[in-house]
Amino acid sequence: SQQGEEDPQALSIQEGENATMNCSYKTSINNLQWYRQNSGRGLVHLILIRSNEREKHSGRLRVTLDTSKKSSSLLITASRAADTASYFCATDEGGSYIPTFGRGTSLIVHP
Amino acid sequence: EAGVTQSPTHLIKTRGQQATLRCSPISGHTSVYWYQQALGLGLQFLLWYDEGEERNRGNFPPRFSGRQFPNYSSELNVNALELEDSALYLCASSSGTGYSGNTIYFGEGSWLTVV
Repeated sequence: SQQGEEDPQALSIQEGENATMNCSYKTSINNLQWYRQNSGRGLVHLILIRSNEREKHSGRLRVTLDTSKKSSSLLITASRAADTASYFCATDEGGSYIPTFGRGTSLIVHP
Repeated sequence: EAGVTQSPTHLIKTRGQQATLRCSPISGHTSVYWYQQALGLGLQFLLWYDEGEERNRGNFPPRFSGRQFPNYSSELNVNALELEDSALYLCASSSGTGYSGNTIYFGEGSWLTVV
């Protein structure tokens, strides 16, 4: 069953704009990870944020985690057409050893 | 360093046949995960192997099975194929036991089409 749920399901923006997608989960976590998937390909790891962290940066990516709201957000700044992909969050809810994924956010960046 | 490799890239089978998919984890990784991703859907957990043993399986029928070899590579077998088994099958590996706290790394996947 899906635990992490991304929102929105689809996002369409122009190149240069920022893209924000959110992930909500239901129970306690130790960490949360964001992945990217180009159409029909494997998932690429983007960033891991632990439960005692509130914000992490990696290049144009900024991830925040609010454990009180059980939610995380991924911000892509100055988006590029090459950022077009699906983005998934994965959690280890309840200390599970099985990473559970949401349905993802489909991002389209128009040149 | 080589990433997670999967084979074959594409596989076409007839309903009722068996399919075998293979995965080689990153060197040094002992955990292997299998996921199914049907078109337009999220990732559904299938199986988790660690140190040669099946540690957990998802909500899939017994005709989905697999194993992990002493070199930590793994194969996924799907028997009595049904049309709805058509999907992208993703393999991932991680170091240490289990996922919690460890990043898992994915292969490019194997597309299985059942006709």
